[in-house]
Amino acid sequence: DTEVTQTPKHLVMGMTNKKSLKCEQHMGHRAMYWYKQKAKKPPELMFVYSYEKLSINESVPSRFSPECPNSSLLNLHLHALQPEDSALYLCASSPPTSGGYNEQFFGPGTRLTVL
Amino acid sequence: GQSLEQPSEVTAVEGAIVQINCTYQTSGFYGLSWYQQHDGGAPTFLSYNALDGLEETGRFSSFLSRSDSYGYLLLQELQMKDSASYFCASVNTGFQKLVFGTGTRLLVSP
Repeated sequence: DTEVTQTPKHLVMGMTNKKSLKCEQHMGHRAMYWYKQKAKKPPELMFVYSYEKLSINESVPSRFSPECPNSSLLNLHLHALQPEDSALYLCASSPPTSGGYNEQFFGPGTRLTVL
Repeated sequence: GQSLEQPSEVTAVEGAIVQINCTYQTSGFYGLSWYQQHDGGAPTFLSYNALDGLEETGRFSSFLSRSDSYGYLLLQELQMKDSASYFCASVNTGFQKLVFGTGTRLLVSP
């Protein structure tokens, strides 16, 4: 299995809702990432998990809360989002080696719309 | 910090060869990657240059010159399906953060 899966594909939520994005990989990768991508822009790193521990938080607002329950799963919990948080949220994984970080496997993303 | 600059758009015709450039400024440099992303799709890894020189993978080649802080992606025998956005990317010191370039939109016409 050489793919990263993400659910849901699309999500529309109000500013008072709580929702979660899910990501799963079965490639044995021990580094997992969340990125945010706005239209016509490059992906921007949000969080990095290495061996199930949060290793990088790119000063992301607390309304985004990541969780790594095990080595195959990564969640992103959303609460009290703003309309400007509407974007494509991408999950990725890679081997946690110096070369592995350069070759990341991305999931198809969740298209989030905040009303 | 890191910054990687690319041309915003490149156009070419089917069967042609196109080069997408990437110039970078980084405090620490550990190689250059290239990713392809079709509209509505996920970024897909294409190649990685850890050392100076040319790496070839089928119709795609990637080049790196550390002395010039410059790299490029060369696409040969262009096909319509190559129309996509292309990003160069580099990891930072500490290896965990992959920073993407500004991105180049490639439009291939018949």
